[in-house]
Amino acid sequence: DAMVIQNPRYQVTQFGKPVTLSCSQTLNHNVMYWYQQKSSQAPKLLFHYYDKDFNNEADTPDNFQSRRPNTSFCFLDIRSPGLGDAAMYLCATSRTGNQPQHFGDGTRLSIL
Amino acid sequence: AQSVAQPEDQVNVAEGNPLTVKCTYSVSGNPYLFWYVQYPNRGLQFLLKYITGDNLVKGSYGFEAEFNKSQTSFHLKKPSALVSDSALYFCAVRDMGTGFQKLVFGTGTRLLVSP
Repeated sequence: DAMVIQNPRYQVTQFGKPVTLSCSQTLNHNVMYWYQQKSSQAPKLLFHYYDKDFNNEADTPDNFQSRRPNTSFCFLDIRSPGLGDAAMYLCATSRTGNQPQHFGDGTRLSIL
Repeated sequence: AQSVAQPEDQVNVAEGNPLTVKCTYSVSGNPYLFWYVQYPNRGLQFLLKYITGDNLVKGSYGFEAEFNKSQTSFHLKKPSALVSDSALYFCAVRDMGTGFQKLVFGTGTRLLVSP
């Protein structure tokens, strides 16, 4: 089945140690999104790629970066994680900005 | 800016009874509205959307939503609730303000269906 896959499902890192979360899709969608979701709150959009065009939300901390080397993969890099960055990180895709988004099951990040 | 409000943190309903999860919206122009469901430790799943056309929108798993322009509401409904419907439900609106159609989510409503 076509889907959005996030690895790993659970990630533990140390305070200040860089961490990378990955997302892959078999839907061949143009748009890929990264959201941060804390403790049953609404997902908060961090940034998105429309094809190769990167779009950062104005309030996304500089600590968060993203890479999209090809259509299928997108990465979220947290350069120096703080305790406040512990959250569920959700990747989503859509064919265009108008279409419904398809979400992966997320990566739950814990900071020690 | 576009926004949606979900006034209830939690909705409790007995299995077999009808359920309603409320959502109101504030938009400039025509609203594009969505409902998503999230089960524990899972991503969000798309249920249905309203863009134009019939005010009653049918979606996945027997859910439907009624668009009401005069009340600026888009409530999610199901005629007969199942225990397996227990989950977190998010209403969302498409935000045109940035030039890209990103989604703005409500705060979510937890639905608890008791046996």
